[in-house]
Amino acid sequence: ILNVEQSPQSLHVQEGDSTNFTCSFPSSNFYALHWYRWETAKSPEALFVMTLNGDEKKKGRISATLNTKEGYSYLYIKGSQPEDSATYLCALADSGYSTLTFGKGTMLLVSP
Amino acid sequence: DGGITQSPKYLFRKEGQNVTLSCEQNLNHDAMYWYRQDPGQGLRLIYYSQIVNDFQKGDIAEGYSVSREKKESFPLTVTSAQKNPTAFYLCASTPDKNTEAFFGQGTRLTVV
Repeated sequence: ILNVEQSPQSLHVQEGDSTNFTCSFPSSNFYALHWYRWETAKSPEALFVMTLNGDEKKKGRISATLNTKEGYSYLYIKGSQPEDSATYLCALADSGYSTLTFGKGTMLLVSP
Repeated sequence: DGGITQSPKYLFRKEGQNVTLSCEQNLNHDAMYWYRQDPGQGLRLIYYSQIVNDFQKGDIAEGYSVSREKKESFPLTVTSAQKNPTAFYLCASTPDKNTEAFFGQGTRLTVV
C-alpha cells in the first residue's frame, strides 16, 4: 500500500488570505499526481492531474506544483473565498496506474 | 447529462444481511472503482475493474464482492462477512491513465 500524506489535516483562514497545502508521496514508480476538491454533500471534483517533474498548473485562483524527485506537491489558493471551503484530496497513480491511492485530505474552512 | 449515479443515497441494513450498492455511469469509461471512507481516514480502495467481466481486489476487499457484466454498471455487495460495514461508499470511473477520475455522490451505509 502506497503512503500518501497530506498536511495540514485542517485549516481555518479568513476571506482574502492566501493558503497552501502539501501532499507527500513515495517518488519511486511515480506516474501521476491528482488533486480533487470535495465540497460537503457533493462529489469530489478534479482540479489537476500532474505528471511531469516541475509541472505547474493553474485554474483561477488555485494553482499546484509538482516535484517528483523529492515526492511532494503543493496546492495554493490565492485570496481565499468562503466558496473555497472544502476538503482537498491528493491522489497518487503509480507507474502501473491500476488505481489511485488517496491521502486523508486537508479540510479548509474560509470564514467571511 | 453524463455522469455517475449511485443509489441509494442512504441505506440501512440489519446485521447478517447482504446489501448491494448500485453504481451506473454513462460516460463510456472503461475503468470503475469502489472506495470506502471512514471518519479520519482517506478513501480506501475496495475493488476496481478495468474492463468488462474483469475486476481486481483493492486494499480492503474482504467482506465485499463485485460484478462487471456491463460497461456501465459496477455494483458492490456488502456481505455479512464484512465485520464493520457502516461507512460512506464512493464509486468512481476513469476513461484512461492520463485523465481525472469522476465520482458519484456516494452511499452512506448504516448497519442497525
